[in-house]
Amino acid sequence: GQQLNQSPQSMFIQEGEDVSMNCTSSSIFNTWLWYKQDPGEGPVLLIALYKAGELTSNGRLTAQFGITRKDSFLNISASIPSDVGIYFCAGHNFGNEKLTFGTGTRLTIIP
Amino acid sequence: DVKVTQSSRYLVKRTGEKVFLECVQDMDHENMFWYRQDPGLGLRLIYFSYDVKMKEKGDIPEGYSVSREKKERFSLILESASTNQTSMYLCASKPPGQGFAHEQYFGPGTRLTVT
Repeated sequence: GQQLNQSPQSMFIQEGEDVSMNCTSSSIFNTWLWYKQDPGEGPVLLIALYKAGELTSNGRLTAQFGITRKDSFLNISASIPSDVGIYFCAGHNFGNEKLTFGTGTRLTIIP
Repeated sequence: DVKVTQSSRYLVKRTGEKVFLECVQDMDHENMFWYRQDPGLGLRLIYFSYDVKMKEKGDIPEGYSVSREKKERFSLILESASTNQTSMYLCASKPPGQGFAHEQYFGPGTRLTVT
C-alpha cells in the first residue's frame, strides 16, 4: 500500500525556534490531516485540511493543503518543550474509511 | 470523553506463541483499525472492521488475523508470533461516514516484543 513521505525524518531544535515539516504523496488526496504522538501515547489529531490551498491554524501550529493536492506542510512557531513527539501526516479520499499515514517526523528539543 | 483502551502496554512473547491484542472503545463507533508502527515506516494498516463480524485487510495483513464479535471490541491475533512482528501496535476507532468524520481516535499502543 501507499505511504506518504515525510521530511525531515527527525529534527533537533532549541526551544523557541520555528519548525517546518512536509509530507508528499504520489497521488492526490481530498483531505489532509496532521496528528501528533506524545511519547508513550497514541496519535492525536492536530489539524484537518479540506480544500486545496487551504491554510489552517491551531494556536502556534499552521498547516497548508498543497495546491497540487499531493502535499501538505506543517509549521510550528516558537517551539516549547511539550512540542516534543512524532508528527504524522495522513491523507484521505472520499468513499474510503481508511487513512494513509506518513512515515513521521520526530521532533526533539535540545535543552 | 473519547476512550480507546488496549489490554496491555507492554508484552513479551516467544516465537511461535499465539498472541491476542485486545482493543475496546466506548464511543459506539462502527469502524475500528489495527496499525503497526515502526521507526521510519510510520503507521501501516494491518486490518480494519466496519461493523461487527465484518473485516477487511489493510496493507500488511500477512501473519495476522482479527476478530470483531462485539461492536466495542476488536482483537488482533498473531497465530504464530515471529521476531519480525516485534513492533508497536496501535488500535483506533472512528464513526462512519464522510464530511468531518475523518478523525480516528487512537489507543495508547501495545509494545510487543517477540523473542
